[in-house]
Amino acid sequence: GAGVSQSPSNKVTEKGKDVELRCDPISGHTALYWYRQSLGQGLEFLIYFQGNSAPDKSGLPSDRFSAERTGGSVSTLTIQRTQQEDSAVYLCASSLHRNTGELFFGEGSRLTVL
Amino acid sequence: DQQVKQNSPSLSVQEGRISILNCDYTNSMFDYFLWYKKYPAEGPTFLISISSIKDKNEDGRFTVFLNKSAKHLSLHIVPSQPGDSAVYFCAASSRGNKLTFGTGTQLKVEL
Repeated sequence: GAGVSQSPSNKVTEKGKDVELRCDPISGHTALYWYRQSLGQGLEFLIYFQGNSAPDKSGLPSDRFSAERTGGSVSTLTIQRTQQEDSAVYLCASSLHRNTGELFFGEGSRLTVL
Repeated sequence: DQQVKQNSPSLSVQEGRISILNCDYTNSMFDYFLWYKKYPAEGPTFLISISSIKDKNEDGRFTVFLNKSAKHLSLHIVPSQPGDSAVYFCAASSRGNKLTFGTGTQLKVEL
């Protein structure tokens, strides 16, 4: 597709379960970002991948959160032992290279932890 | 530590008038600033940006102003249209690293 694709668009899970969120960036974009937006909050940075460099994981809120990017393309964000405070919209974005700052966002994955 | 702040959570403006959205930042290393617009159930979309070497950038109805000494930027929309109703996020980065976003301002343009 032409844009950033995220799946699932909606996920409802029970507290304690693991979830995986997928992001398919725009082809050729070397930078990939995960942000989340909790209800009434701004965009919170989670993790940033740039080419083959080590990812910037400084935004991950706990060790229950991890992400990988395979082959420089698709990325998966994994949340283990989900908690209710993990409920948010998880947004993925990509950019052509790190210096433009212009990110292209997907529509997000809405996670609800019951 | 909120490095990018949007102190007005909401703004209401009449159609045809000017909308002014404000943003303050604390990190003096930020050298690139952007505004994003977000409609409900959609991802944010890029609107306009400005480098720290400039103090103004204009694109059609949208103008961004940067005051480095005050660590303040603003987005002007003239004239405002109902389709401009959305949440506006300002964002900043340092040397091409990750963007730090503000908490957003909900703009409502009324008929």
